[in-house]
Amino acid sequence: DADVTQTPRNRITKTGKRIMLECSQTKGHDRMYWYRQDPGLGLRLIYYSFDVKDINKGEISDGYSVSRQAQAKFSLSLESAIPNQTALYFCATSDRTLGGHQPQHFGDGTRLSIL
Amino acid sequence: SQQGEEDPQALSIQEGENATMNCSYKTSINNLQWYRQNSGRGLVHLILIRSNEREKHSGRLRVTLDTSKKSSSLLITASRAADTASYFCATDGEYGNKLVFGAGTILRVKS
Repeated sequence: DADVTQTPRNRITKTGKRIMLECSQTKGHDRMYWYRQDPGLGLRLIYYSFDVKDINKGEISDGYSVSRQAQAKFSLSLESAIPNQTALYFCATSDRTLGGHQPQHFGDGTRLSIL
Repeated sequence: SQQGEEDPQALSIQEGENATMNCSYKTSINNLQWYRQNSGRGLVHLILIRSNEREKHSGRLRVTLDTSKKSSSLLITASRAADTASYFCATDGEYGNKLVFGAGTILRVKS
């Protein structure tokens, strides 16, 4: 079983719909992240969480919200999807920072298309 | 804005040749990391080099770091078709609380 599991793997939906992407992890890491990947732009951070009660905005949080339901679960919501949110979305986890950021462990992504 | 910038954007080589990718960044760092992404998959961590290290090896991978030039390079020796992937550098910046990824280098190894 994968250490970081994202569901769904693929989703096609219409403009204006509410969408939730889910991420669960078995690595026991405190820190979880949501990124989006667009061609030629690399990964951009949407939100991150260092603990169950901690939520932080990333580089591109507008139009997104998150919920950290438990240490192992971190979900990303698009309240009213728009076409320019079509992208590949990744969840990642990492251990606590000790002398610098620790390696991140990624899920296999959710390919989201908004028509 | 991106902290790391990879160069070249794309690289095509023959199996058995060496592949070198470069990364430049803008601010001071605690460490720099390299990741690989196979098509349709998530990123996989390859190697981490700390700011006080100059060179690090892992199997066929060799990473160098020059903090005076704010640059790093990833060398893959004796490349294989299975090395075909995108490669990203990521830096943790001054506070180390998150990673910032570059746009990546697409490596194609022809057999």
